[in-house]
Amino acid sequence: SQTIHQWPATLVQPVGSPLSLECTVEGTSNPNLYWYRQAAGRGLQLLFYSVGIGQISSEVPQNLSASRPQDRQFILSSKKLLLSDSGFYLCAWSVPGRFYEQYFGPGTRLTVT
Amino acid sequence: LAKTTQPISMDSYEGQEVNITCSHNNIATNDYITWYQQFPSQGPRFIIQGYKTKVTNEVASLFIPADRKSSTLSLPRVSLSDTAVYYCLVGDRYSSASKIIFGSGTRLSIRP
Repeated sequence: SQTIHQWPATLVQPVGSPLSLECTVEGTSNPNLYWYRQAAGRGLQLLFYSVGIGQISSEVPQNLSASRPQDRQFILSSKKLLLSDSGFYLCAWSVPGRFYEQYFGPGTRLTVT
Repeated sequence: LAKTTQPISMDSYEGQEVNITCSHNNIATNDYITWYQQFPSQGPRFIIQGYKTKVTNEVASLFIPADRKSSTLSLPRVSLSDTAVYYCLVGDRYSSASKIIFGSGTRLSIRP
C-alpha cells in the first residue's frame, strides 16, 4: 500500500532563517506530488505541484520554492522565512494523470517567530 | 474556472443523515466533483468523486442533478467522529492541478 511521510511534524523558526521540508512517498511510482499551505481556520492553498522529476509548477508567487530530486521525494524550501509563512504545510500525492484524487501526508506545523 | 459555494457550517445529531450541498453554476463539461474530509491538524482525506447522477461508496453518497450545477454529499447515520470540515472541489481531473481550489469548506458539527 502507499504511504506518504512528512517531516518534521512541527517547526519553530525565526524570521529570516532558511526552511526545508521534506516529503516522501512509498509504494507507488511516478506520482504527482503537491505542496499546500493552510493558514489557521482557512482552506488549503496549492503552492506547487510536480508531475515528474525536475518538473515543478508554481501556483503562487512567494519566497518559497520546491524541488523534486527523486521520483518520490518532494522538498519545499525557503532562503528567508517571513512571518506570513507560518501555517500548516501539507504534502500530497496522486496517481499519474489524475489530479483531484489526492492522498495527504500528516503535515508540518510551521511557526515563524 | 468553476467556483464552488458551500454552507459555512452545519449541525446535526448522531444517527441522522447529513446532506451537504455545493453549488457550482459554472461547471465545465469535463469537470468532476470531488469531496474531501478534514479533521483538525490532519491532512484532508478523499471521500468521493463523481461526474453525474449518483455515486456511492462505503463512506458516502454523491448526488449530482442532470444540470450538474450543484451536488450533494450525503453522510448516512453520522456519528461524533464525522465532525470535520468538508470541502467540495470542481475541476477536470485529468488535465492539470493548476486550478485546484480548496475553499473554506463546510464545518460539520455532530452532537450526541
